Amino acid sequence: KQEVTQIPAALSVPEGENLVLNCSFTDSAIYNLQWFRQDPGKGLTSLLLIQSSQREQTSGRLNASLDKSSGRSTLYIAASQPGDSATYLCAVSIAYNTDKLIFGTGTRLQVFP
Amino acid sequence: SQTIHQWPATLVQPVGSPLSLECTVEGTSNPNLYWYRQAAGRGLQLLFYSVGIGQISSEVPQNLSASRPQDRQFILSSKKLLLSDSGFYLCAWSLKGPPLHFGNGTRLTVT
Repeated sequence: KQEVTQIPAALSVPEGENLVLNCSFTDSAIYNLQWFRQDPGKGLTSLLLIQSSQREQTSGRLNASLDKSSGRSTLYIAASQPGDSATYLCAVSIAYNTDKLIFGTGTRLQVFP
Repeated sequence: SQTIHQWPATLVQPVGSPLSLECTVEGTSNPNLYWYRQAAGRGLQLLFYSVGIGQISSEVPQNLSASRPQDRQFILSSKKLLLSDSGFYLCAWSLKGPPLHFGNGTRLTVT
């Protein structure tokens, strides 16, 4: 059974820091991995999608890497800003052509001025 | 552009009452549709998904059911709510693959 773990559960950093969020999964047989952002009381916003054949994806100040064989992904946020404060969730896809995702419990990030 | 609408945003219902949550998607055709639940302190759990009208797959045994009466409409229902049905319900859509696009969710409190 696929399990997804995110470390740390919470993180508080001053503005401007570069930071790394970690995601690990127990079964390497995944189709893709997605990183989402969730603001309090809101739905999820897709940030980055990494297909199983890819090693990393970048969008602006965000960079996500995937090491499928070791069951790990990291989300790197450069030059963090207070607007980055949110919960970040990773999820792995376990079925082709559908979004049957297994989610981690998230990392709650606070960036203070 | 595509948009997804979920309503209501919040709902307080007594135990034993029925439930109907609605989700509609605009700007696309034949999407895959999903219902996820986020319980306090737990990750998101997939409840149902649908790849077409009238086609529903259930992921976990529970007190809930789903229906897809139209291409872009997905409904989550219960005949009698339980306390354990409380949570944050999220509807989502995709076009036969990632990424997944979520609605703003419904906060359900069963009292």
